[in-house]
Amino acid sequence: GQQLNQSPQSMFIQEGEDVSMNCTSSSIFNTWLWYKQDPGEGPVLLIALYKAGELTSNGRLTAQFGITRKDSFLNISASIPSDVGIYFCAGRLSSNTGKLIFGQGTTLQVKP
Amino acid sequence: EAGVAQSPRYKIIEKRQSVAFWCNPISGHATLYWYQQILGQGPKLLIQFQNNGVVDDSQLPKDRFSAERLKGVDSTLKIQPAKLEDSAVYLCASSLGDRAGQPQHFGDGTRLSIL
Repeated sequence: GQQLNQSPQSMFIQEGEDVSMNCTSSSIFNTWLWYKQDPGEGPVLLIALYKAGELTSNGRLTAQFGITRKDSFLNISASIPSDVGIYFCAGRLSSNTGKLIFGQGTTLQVKP
Repeated sequence: EAGVAQSPRYKIIEKRQSVAFWCNPISGHATLYWYQQILGQGPKLLIQFQNNGVVDDSQLPKDRFSAERLKGVDSTLKIQPAKLEDSAVYLCASSLGDRAGQPQHFGDGTRLSIL
């Protein structure tokens, strides 16, 4: 089946540092989404990207839809302790209706 | 607006027993999804409903899993009989539709442990 490769698997950073994570795929996607999941909760949508090359910000978060449509990255600037959690990328295949393929997640820990 | 509601939050059963999960989507959302999230992995789609019809159940283990959305609102997911590898969080999500620009909103899930 289709797979998304998400990296890094985990990060441990100091408060105030910037963070970058990315996802790559062998398949072309028509939508890229970035979710955050806290322990015991469901994923919460952070940013949605719908066009190749699109760069979108949500507060301290910035994400881009790769030109090749096979990759996306998420940046978090000036990290704070509440940024701790698991970040997932998810993509929608062009030929699919609604089905999301999720990456394996990036676990972020922030040291105050 | 109220989010996606799921119950129970936790369930512990022995292998070969049966279990059912319930989901109430966001009001007005026509599309409903059930995902399985194994520890340390991203969610994997099990089944997608559009109103009360199944759109995609290609990854649903149909020999033991079943799901229904009889009136196009609430949905139940059942496992019978359960196996050890079914231990996971079962997430329900809903969206207005299945078009781009209609993002999925997730519930907090049911954590299932099989003994």
